[in-house]
Amino acid sequence: GENVEQHPSTLSVQEGDSAVIKCTYSDSASNYFPWYKQELGKGPQLIIDIRSNVGEKKDQRIAVTLNKTAKHFSLHITETQPEDSAVYFCAATGANSKLTFGKGITLSVRP
Amino acid sequence: DTEVTQTPKHLVMGMTNKKSLKCEQHMGHRAMYWYKQKAKKPPELMFVYSYEKLSINESVPSRFSPECPNSSLLNLHLHALQPEDSALYLCASRPTGILTDTQYFGPGTRLTVL
Repeated sequence: GENVEQHPSTLSVQEGDSAVIKCTYSDSASNYFPWYKQELGKGPQLIIDIRSNVGEKKDQRIAVTLNKTAKHFSLHITETQPEDSAVYFCAATGANSKLTFGKGITLSVRP
Repeated sequence: DTEVTQTPKHLVMGMTNKKSLKCEQHMGHRAMYWYKQKAKKPPELMFVYSYEKLSINESVPSRFSPECPNSSLLNLHLHALQPEDSALYLCASRPTGILTDTQYFGPGTRLTVL
């Protein structure tokens, strides 16, 4: 089955700096890669996603890149703000639409 | 509107109690999911319903019993739970069709088993 690795487990950045979170996946058949943000006491919220036929996607301060050859994908957040502090999960989905999550990373944005 | 609602928000139950969690969506999604999430861990898939039929059971103990009475509603019936079942229970839904992999999560029910 699919295995998604997400490192490191924590990331701390200064407000205004950029944050990059990287994930790798194992199953070359995976074709959909969402990123979820989870704030304390809330459910995961989809923030951006990318399909395997696209290399990059951007939405305001957030972008995702995908390297199919290397089987890794990354979340880029620019001009970070304190409200970006949360746990971020990457995930991969194959043909059966089953989501495999990474372990999550706690992002802290220092004011 | 991409809202999935869950009730109750919090639930405390004893090991001999019977309770139910409820999940509702009105987006016309025909795939619905139950996940269990422990602190500082990713969600773990429990059950998947597709067109109101159970399609995946991830070897979940029988003290958890899912039900999908109609296309908008998903229940999780709980009986004789253990303290280690305390967790955040998340519901998600997904549209069905081509290029419809996105799962939308509800806010979860925080369950505590005493």
